[in-house]
Parts: sequence; structure tokens; C-alpha cells
Amino acid sequence: AQSVTQLGSHVSVSEGALVLLRCNYSSSVPPYLFWYVQYPNQGLQLLLKYTSAATLVKGINGFEAEFKKSETSFHLTKPSAHMSDAAEYFCAVSPSGGYNKLIFGAGTRLAVHP
Amino acid sequence: EAQVTQNPRYLITVTGKKLTVTCSQNMNHEYMSWYRQDPGLGLRQIYYSMNVEVTDKGDVPEGYKVSRKEKRNFPLILESPSPNQTSLYFCASSSQGGGQPQHFGDGTRLSIL
Repeated sequence: AQSVTQLGSHVSVSEGALVLLRCNYSSSVPPYLFWYVQYPNQGLQLLLKYTSAATLVKGINGFEAEFKKSETSFHLTKPSAHMSDAAEYFCAVSPSGGYNKLIFGAGTRLAVHP
Repeated sequence: EAQVTQNPRYLITVTGKKLTVTCSQNMNHEYMSWYRQDPGLGLRQIYYSMNVEVTDKGDVPEGYKVSRKEKRNFPLILESPSPNQTSLYFCASSSQGGGQPQHFGDGTRLSIL
């Protein structure tokens, strides 16, 4: 069965510093990959998705992620953190083949301090 | 505005008292799904539906029921709630087909005493 591992349940960065949130997936066939963000008391909002086009995917709010098949990774980055980036981030994988199921990682809570 | 609407947003109830959480989407999506979110576990799929009258179990279906009589609605039913079903629940919808992002509701926080 496919699974998603997010390294680090909590990440803390200074405002203006690089954000790096790690995600590894287990799949023999490249799946569809997503990053979602959850702000307090809200649902999940799509940040970006990988669907086998470009390996470097740009999303909203200055985030991007790079698909690396050899490392089965899909890490999320942002060059300069902003206070408003504080939220919980979820990496998710969807099996290829037209099936919409999402398998989520456990999430990483990002804190941004002044 | 495209949205997924869940009701209620918050509910405190007691063990054994049947409850229903409603979910409605206005995007004409074929696929709908229910998830529960628990600390340290991320979101886990409870049930999903590929279209009207087509539903199937997800990863944690025990204690839940669903129905899909209309394309826009996908209610989650807890026939006899228990304290281990205390959780944050999300409904989501998407177009059919691989790689389609899911749109999430704002969540329903259930507390079963």
C-alpha cells in the first residue's frame, strides 16, 4: 500500500528564512502528488500539485516543490518565510490511473517567529 | 462561489445518539469523500463516492455510513456514535480522473461524550 512520510511534525523558522518541509512517498509508479495547507479552523487549501509534467512545480504564496523520482521525494520550499505562512502543511499522494483517493502524510506544523 | 459546505461546524453529543453531518458541493463534481483528522495521523479516508449511488469504504469505515442519492450531497451518518469517533471531519469533492485536486469543506468538529 502506498504511504507518505513527512519528516518533522514541527518546523520552526525565522521570518525571512528558507522554508523546507520534507515529504517522501512509497510508490513503484510515479503517482500524483499534492501539498495542502491548513490554517487554523479552516479546511485544506491546495498549494500545488505534481501530475507528471514539469518536475519543479510552482504553487501559490511563493511555494514550490520538486519531484525527485530517484529519491521518491516531493519536498516543499519557500525562499523567504512570512509570518502568514504559519500553518499545518500536508503532503498527499494519489495513485495514478484515474482513481481520486488521497493518502496523506501526518502533517508538519510550521511556526514562523520574528 | 465554488464551495463545499458542511454542517454543523461543531457538535457535542452523547454516546449512542444518532447523528448526521451534511456535505454539499456546488461544482457538479462526481467524486466525494469523507476524511477524519486526528493529531499525528493526518487525514484518513472514511468513505468515498465515485458518483450517485456508488459508494465504497475507505481506510477507516467502521462505525460510519454514507449515502449518495444526489450528485451534490454526501451525508455522513453515525448510527451509534462512540467516544473514539471524537475527531475533526472533512468532506471533499473533485472532478473524476487522476490528478484532480480535491476541494475541502471547513470541517466539522465532533465531540462524543
